[in-house]
Amino acid sequence: QSVLTQPPSASGTPGQRVTISCSGSSSNIGTNYVSWYQQLPGTAPKLLLYGNNQRPSGVPDRFSGSKSGTSASLAISGLRSEDEADYYCAAWDDSLSSVVFGGGTKLTVL
Amino acid sequence: QVQLQESGPGLVKPSQTLSLTCTVSGGSLSSGTYYWSWIRHHPGKGLEWIGYIYYSGSTSYNPSLKSRVTISADTSKNQFSLKLSSVTAADAAVYYCARYDYSGNSFFDYWGQGTLVTVSS
Repeated sequence: QSVLTQPPSASGTPGQRVTISCSGSSSNIGTNYVSWYQQLPGTAPKLLLYGNNQRPSGVPDRFSGSKSGTSASLAISGLRSEDEADYYCAAWDDSLSSVVFGGGTKLTVL
Repeated sequence: QVQLQESGPGLVKPSQTLSLTCTVSGGSLSSGTYYWSWIRHHPGKGLEWIGYIYYSGSTSYNPSLKSRVTISADTSKNQFSLKLSSVTAADAAVYYCARYDYSGNSFFDYWGQGTLVTVSS
């Protein structure tokens, strides 16, 4: 059971906008920054967003993030087939003194 | 460009100690506000943070693994290592090393390719 809660799956058609939620608590998302990672099949996770909504160099602006209270969201607009991957959220947890991850969301592009 | 590469046995016997090393290139273990981390991914499950080390030697571990984990660093070789004792089948996973930027936003910006560890006699 992961500390951060994500839906196990999400889907969309090319060109659509999809959002993936990440729910936590006051000790993690409520207090600390959220980061998001994309894991393509057979590869290592890749940093997608940090600081709740900051994109590293090279990440398309189709990817955006937001945070409100103890929840965060990843939005992908203009969905493309190459976006089909697993997506994970993460944050530091002050109570556990640990980095905590969500269980991951498998995005399918129909 | 910082690169990380895991190395170590892919097969460990139950009750023995899993040992992995991460070699860092393109950057120094001793630089900046970075913590050098180990993360694992069980098949079909989410990511699990194991712990991290700062170049000074200070460490932080996942409380659920703390009694069995040791992370150490060799700055002269630009490497850091993971030891997980008394392994069971539940420790079989893909193990990643990663750099954790703790300068404010806190995130893993560079990852190794991962190494699969199987636990079997």
